[in-house]
Amino acid sequence: AQSVTQLDSHVSVSEGTPVLLRCNYSSSYSPSLFWYVQHPNKGLQLLLKYTSAATLVKGINGFEAEFKKSETSFHLTKPSAHMSDAAEYFCVVINAGKSTFGDGTTLTVKP
Amino acid sequence: EAGVAQSPRYKIIEKRQSVAFWCNPISGHATLYWYQQILGQGPKLLIQFQNNGVVDDSQLPKDRFSAERLKGVDSTLKIQPAKLEDSAVYLCASSLGGGSGNTIYFGEGSWLTVV
Repeated sequence: AQSVTQLDSHVSVSEGTPVLLRCNYSSSYSPSLFWYVQHPNKGLQLLLKYTSAATLVKGINGFEAEFKKSETSFHLTKPSAHMSDAAEYFCVVINAGKSTFGDGTTLTVKP
Repeated sequence: EAGVAQSPRYKIIEKRQSVAFWCNPISGHATLYWYQQILGQGPKLLIQFQNNGVVDDSQLPKDRFSAERLKGVDSTLKIQPAKLEDSAVYLCASSLGGGSGNTIYFGEGSWLTVV
């Protein structure tokens, strides 16, 4: 069995400050890990993915995530938040073709 | 490259009625997924196809939900009869294959309200 826990349901930051969205996972085998972003009334868009190569993964729009096997974590970060980053973010684990989503973190960016 | 197409985008029906959603995946993608996303939750996989065969339908409520992908391309998800708790966004997605490293591409979703 596998599971994903997004530790914060809501995160609020000011524009220009760092973003940290936390994700822990459990999986029996070596999984692939993904972060998706969902803007209102839009489909999910891939931000970045980890598939057993480099543990620090860079994605679109300045986001990056670090895979830490010992901590079973895959936290998403961005050095400086922009207003357009306000959205819902989902951490996803995929193992043996089976996908499991976290419940999402709503990111609010204050001007 | 065209993305995953879904229709209709919005549907309102009364409980006990039926509804069908259609999905056309990205060309060449062998794997097709249907997810249910209830407000405030992450998407939950309902069914996964590899070409025209079912790989995983363990979370599909088979007494009321059905899905098919007859020619291994587009797919239809049907709900009959609908219940109030079926109100959700139904997301179709596709990937090149079913392996763990394959990126899953999503459509914009079909919003269902059951009244």
